[in-house]
Amino acid sequence: NAGVTQTPKFQVLKTGQSMTLQCAQDMNHNSMYWYRQDPGMGLRLIYYSASEGTTDKGEVPNGYNVSRLNKREFSLRLESAAPSQTSVYFCASSAADGYTFGSGTRLTVV
Amino acid sequence: QKEVEQNSGPLSVPEGAIASLNCTYSDRGSQSFFWYRQYSGKSPELIMSIYSNGDKEDGRFTAQLNKASQYVSLLIRDSQPSDSATYLCAVRGYGQNFVFGPGTRLSVLP
Repeated sequence: NAGVTQTPKFQVLKTGQSMTLQCAQDMNHNSMYWYRQDPGMGLRLIYYSASEGTTDKGEVPNGYNVSRLNKREFSLRLESAAPSQTSVYFCASSAADGYTFGSGTRLTVV
Repeated sequence: QKEVEQNSGPLSVPEGAIASLNCTYSDRGSQSFFWYRQYSGKSPELIMSIYSNGDKEDGRFTAQLNKASQYVSLLIRDSQPSDSATYLCAVRGYGQNFVFGPGTRLSVLP
């Protein structure tokens, strides 16, 4: 029972490079989310997808794009990474009774 | 801007004592309330959910909700060193996304 799987677990990027964070869930959830977590800031919503084929901006969407490829997969893309995007990124999926989080991606932009 | 506030801590309690974690929220329309535990370097995991006023008990954990005061708390009885973690409060309105508090760091001293 894998739950929510995120890749990669760690990544170091140079300023201006691009990358895609991958997320897949096997719980048949409709809703999926991308959060970033910074010290003292808590979890902040970047983008979410309430169902396959829809995506919406969250609290901090600038510098990011997302794709809901199908019901299982929801990817997050950084087109031109900036040091301010250094953070831990979590993907999550939800049913009505709460979120299930992936294991996280620790991203450093130098 | 919907807000969820928590004392960042650290909250230190001796082993075997009761740990009391508090959370206040600004949106009176909030309907679902959750507590997540996050160990250092790990992803948040759901430990309790509560939907109606009063207390809800699950083993050593008790969640308390007072909607009139816009207050939710988590009590941990017989605290153990393994309970040392950051506890995140999350609040959800009908048809809305979760809003997370910044978390309270709990340290249980042997």
